[in-house]
Amino acid sequence: QKEVEQNSGPLSVPEGAIASLNCTYSDRGSQSFFWYRQYSGKSPELIMFIYSNGDKEDGRFTAQLNKASQYVSLLIRDSQPSDSATYLCAVSENQGGKLIFGQGTELSVKP
Amino acid sequence: NAGVMQNPRHLVRRRGQEARLRCSPMKGHSHVYWYRQLPEEGLKFMVYLQKENIIDESGMPKERFSAEFPKEGPSILRIQQVVRGDSAAYFCASSPGTGPLEQYFGPGTRLTVT
Repeated sequence: QKEVEQNSGPLSVPEGAIASLNCTYSDRGSQSFFWYRQYSGKSPELIMFIYSNGDKEDGRFTAQLNKASQYVSLLIRDSQPSDSATYLCAVSENQGGKLIFGQGTELSVKP
Repeated sequence: NAGVMQNPRHLVRRRGQEARLRCSPMKGHSHVYWYRQLPEEGLKFMVYLQKENIIDESGMPKERFSAEFPKEGPSILRIQQVVRGDSAAYFCASSPGTGPLEQYFGPGTRLTVT
């Protein structure tokens, strides 16, 4: 059974701090990695994707991938209350194809 | 609106009825995925389709559920003889299929079985 694991949280950080979200996956053959944000009652919104080892930055978001450790992370700099949501890590074993999601980490950013 | 479209947004069915959920992918996207999110649970893959082809249905329940993506028109997820346990949010996502691999989600259909 291929699995994606995330801490369920809630993770609470003060406004302006860095939020660090972590994800591990069991399938060494995984090739594509995604972070989605989901507000309560809404659909998942793609915020980052990464395919190669290392860091990828987009605005306040940085995704980090370490395939040897089977570990993906998302850093959110200068966290805002509007970042409060559940963050879903998703993994695909193929170039395209189904996504396997973690349970999500609930992030709360306190003003 | 060039995003993924799903309808209806909310659907109420009595036990034993049929539910039909529709999904129109983003413009230029030819690959459609269906996921289900049960209350207090994570997103689970159901089926992956291209036009007129089911590519991967490994997440579909063996009975009562079917999906199609015809040459013309939206993708349809069909649930026959619904039971209370089918109550969930059903999300459709689409991707271009070639080049970028990212999947973009529609707003979802919230199915309630009474």
